[in-house]
Amino acid sequence: DTAVSQTPKYLVTQMGNDKSIKCEQNLGHDTMYWYKQDSKKFLKIMFSYNNKELIINETVPNRFSPKSPDKAHLNLHINSLELGDSAVYFCASSQPVSRTGANVLTFGAGSRLTVL
Amino acid sequence: QQQVKQSPQSLIVQKGGISIINCAYENTAFDYFPWYQQFPGKGPALLIAIRPDVSEKKEGRFTISFNKSAKQFSLHIMDSQPGDSATYFCAARSNFGNEKLTFGTGTRLTIIP
Repeated sequence: DTAVSQTPKYLVTQMGNDKSIKCEQNLGHDTMYWYKQDSKKFLKIMFSYNNKELIINETVPNRFSPKSPDKAHLNLHINSLELGDSAVYFCASSQPVSRTGANVLTFGAGSRLTVL
Repeated sequence: QQQVKQSPQSLIVQKGGISIINCAYENTAFDYFPWYQQFPGKGPALLIAIRPDVSEKKEGRFTISFNKSAKQFSLHIMDSQPGDSATYFCAARSNFGNEKLTFGTGTRLTIIP
């Protein structure tokens, strides 16, 4: 039973299109994240939600809009896709540090976005 | 600005050898230092983590060494096996604020027979 699941796994689209990636976690975690991994494997946080509330919003173009309908789901919508948006997008979840004493991120398998 | 610097970028080690990956940081507010392992086509997975109140943590063949005064920490993989071939990320988290993890740039480890 997958802990953090993302769909779709692969996404190929044209520049200018709008696309969404969905994420669901069944771990009962309060916090969810979106990370972007570029072609050089660098992992950079984009957004974080704690119990549906946005707590981290890094310097990300406003074409990217996360939405958390409940604490088990965090979706990422991208408008007007650009070539530079091509990357692997990872969803992750964790419990708050104050509760567990550690920040253990559980990642999904990733969604590879290719913009042509 | 890269808050967590990781080296080397890639590493080739013979089977049975010791793999060593190093990380350095500047932010003294960091208080939790995990290592993640990522296989091709998969998401990163927590391998081992350490807090700065200990200098070493060992789990099986994996050991983290931590030097608080030098603001450096490293991952040692003893008796490296081909199945250890993966990309390894160090990370660090600040003890206040939004608790986000800052990742190093990754090390691609290849274990050759």
